[in-house]
Amino acid sequence: QVRLVESGGGLVKPGGSLRLSCAASGFSFSDYYMIWIRQAPGKGLEWLSYINYSGDNTKYAESVKGRFTISRDNAKESLYLQMNSLRAEDTGIYFCGRGADSWGQGTLVTVSS
Amino acid sequence: SYELIQPSSVSVSPGQTAQITCSGDILTKKFARWFQQRPGQAPVLVMFRGSERPSGIPDRFSGSSSGTTVTLTISGAQVEDEADYYCYSASDNAGVFGGGTKLTVL
Repeated sequence: QVRLVESGGGLVKPGGSLRLSCAASGFSFSDYYMIWIRQAPGKGLEWLSYINYSGDNTKYAESVKGRFTISRDNAKESLYLQMNSLRAEDTGIYFCGRGADSWGQGTLVTVSS
Repeated sequence: SYELIQPSSVSVSPGQTAQITCSGDILTKKFARWFQQRPGQAPVLVMFRGSERPSGIPDRFSGSSSGTTVTLTISGAQVEDEADYYCYSASDNAGVFGGGTKLTVL
């Protein structure tokens, strides 16, 4: 079955960087577009970024444009999110998604001094 | 950018019908999806293309659409349906979630 496992979260200071990874299995990874979403503590879901099958087309929410970069490695069946210039408001659980139908369990990012 | 508006909360008694609405201009052009999220868990898709249920989702869940509003209906809501529900749509590969509706079944 579809399995998505996020990793790479943690505690980082404002202005710092983190790289999230998402390991996919149970489906043909290169056949699907992928998405990152997040959820701030006690808040709703927020769509962050999209990448197409081959990785040559990406899209970002205004809140992260210019700071976050989505990428994928189809040979490794992995999705990534490079997060730079992190702010306190970036704190939350980050989920990767296969298209918009299946999600991993998420990884917690905390931005605090 | 697009916006999807949901009521913040809906409350029903067990066995009653719960209806959760989602409104937005994008919904006249694009299908909506609905996700259920229980506390501490990942979202789960319960409806796609407006009215189609993924396998494993009980048939008490249904979806409908009218103009700029889509509705998730849970007929005969059960205690285990208590969760947050989010509508979602996308255009030009950019997605948007509604603010979420807390469904209480009590």
